[in-house]
Amino acid sequence: DTAVSQTPKYLVTQMGNDKSIKCEQNLGHDTMYWYKQDSKKFLKIMFSYNNKELIINETVPNRFSPKSPDKAHLNLHINSLELGDSAVYFCASPPPPGTSGIQETQYFGPGTRLLVL
Amino acid sequence: DQQVKQNSPSLSVQEGRISILNCDYTNSMFDYFLWYKKYPAEGPTFLISISSIKDKNEDGRFTVFLNKSAKHLSLHIVPSQPGDSAVYFCAAIGGAQKLVFGQGTRLTINP
Repeated sequence: DTAVSQTPKYLVTQMGNDKSIKCEQNLGHDTMYWYKQDSKKFLKIMFSYNNKELIINETVPNRFSPKSPDKAHLNLHINSLELGDSAVYFCASPPPPGTSGIQETQYFGPGTRLLVL
Repeated sequence: DQQVKQNSPSLSVQEGRISILNCDYTNSMFDYFLWYKKYPAEGPTFLISISSIKDKNEDGRFTVFLNKSAKHLSLHIVPSQPGDSAVYFCAAIGGAQKLVFGQGTRLTINP
């Protein structure tokens, strides 16, 4: 049973298209993140949601719109895709405060490799 | 402005020897540091962490050392095994910052 799953694993699309990436966690956590691993390989936070509410938006262009229909799902919709959006996008979820897990740790999904042509 | 840096993109080590992965940070507000391990086509998985009140944390073959004055931490793996071949990410958290990652070091263990 995968704790954090993402679909699709690979996405190749043309510039200007709109696409969505989906994430689901079966850990029962309240908080979910989207990270982007850019061409320089740094993993950077994009968004954080807690119990369906937006907590962090790290100055990501508004072409990126996260949507959380419930606390187990955090989807990422990207409008008007640009070449620079090509990256690996990771969904992640930390254990809640007060649990046995270390809150700072993140359980990551396998990543979605987006290539914009 | 990268607050966490791993200056070695790759490292190759003989099986059985010690692997040392390095990480530098600039933000003195960081108070908790983590190492993640990533295999191809998988997400990073938590490996080991250290609080800023300590200078060493050991877990089996993995030891993390923290030098706060130098703003430097390192991960030691001994003895290195082929299954340790992966990309290792250093990460830090503290102050107002959420988890900040380095760019990773690809470790290859040669038989």
